[in-house]
Amino acid sequence: DTGVSQNPRHKITKRGQNVTFRCDPISEHNRLYWYRQTLGQGPEFLTYFQNEAQLEKSRLLSDRFSAERPKGSFSTLEIQRTEQGDSAMYLCASFSGGPLMVEQFFGPGTRLTVL
Amino acid sequence: RKEVEQDPGPFNVPEGATVAFNCTYSNSASQSFFWYRQDCRKEPKLLMSVYSSGNEDGRFTAQLNRASQYISLLIRDSKLSDSATYLCVVRMDSSYKLIFGSGTRLLVRP
Repeated sequence: DTGVSQNPRHKITKRGQNVTFRCDPISEHNRLYWYRQTLGQGPEFLTYFQNEAQLEKSRLLSDRFSAERPKGSFSTLEIQRTEQGDSAMYLCASFSGGPLMVEQFFGPGTRLTVL
Repeated sequence: RKEVEQDPGPFNVPEGATVAFNCTYSNSASQSFFWYRQDCRKEPKLLMSVYSSGNEDGRFTAQLNRASQYISLLIRDSKLSDSATYLCVVRMDSSYKLIFGSGTRLLVRP
C-alpha cells in the first residue's frame, strides 16, 4: 500500500455517460498527477496539480476531460460523454516535489470499461 | 516517434540467468531517469534511479549514457519473483511529470 487511494477501483459504463474518479494522495504531498494506461503500453501523462493549481494538461486531455483539486487535497477526474476509446486504467500519483525527491507514489488505479 | 522506446519483449529466461533491458529517449532536455517495475494488474513502483556513473542495488545495475540518450538495466541471478514489466522512465524536471516507455515484459521460469 503506497498511501495513495483511488475510487472506484472499477467502473463499467455505457458510451455517452459521464464518469468521475477520485484520488486521495499522501497528505503532505503538494503535487498530484493523473496518468492513463492502456493494455501493453506504459502510463501516459494527462495532467498535474501543484496544490490546487492545475499547471499542465496533455493534449491527450480532450475537452471532455476535466480535473480538479479543490483545497489542494483530493482530486477528481471527470470524463463527459464517454467513448469506447476512453477504456483504460486511470492512475493517480502523489509526489512531494523537488529535484532531489525521487519516487512518485501511484494509487491502485481505476479501471474504466466503456461499453 | 515515441519519446521513450523499449523492446516490449517478452524476455523468457531461466532462473539464475542474467538479462539486460535497453531503452532510448529522444528529448535531450530530460533530466532524471528511472526504472519502474509493474506487476500484472498493479500500479507501477520505483525500482531504482539511473545515474551517469552507473548504480547498483543488489542484483540490479542501471546505467545512463547521456551522449547516446540510452538507458540500461541489468538483472543478475534472476529470480521467479523478478517476473514483471519493467518500465523505462524519464522525468522532466520543470514539472516532474514522468514519461514512460511501453515496458519490457520479463518472465523468469523455474
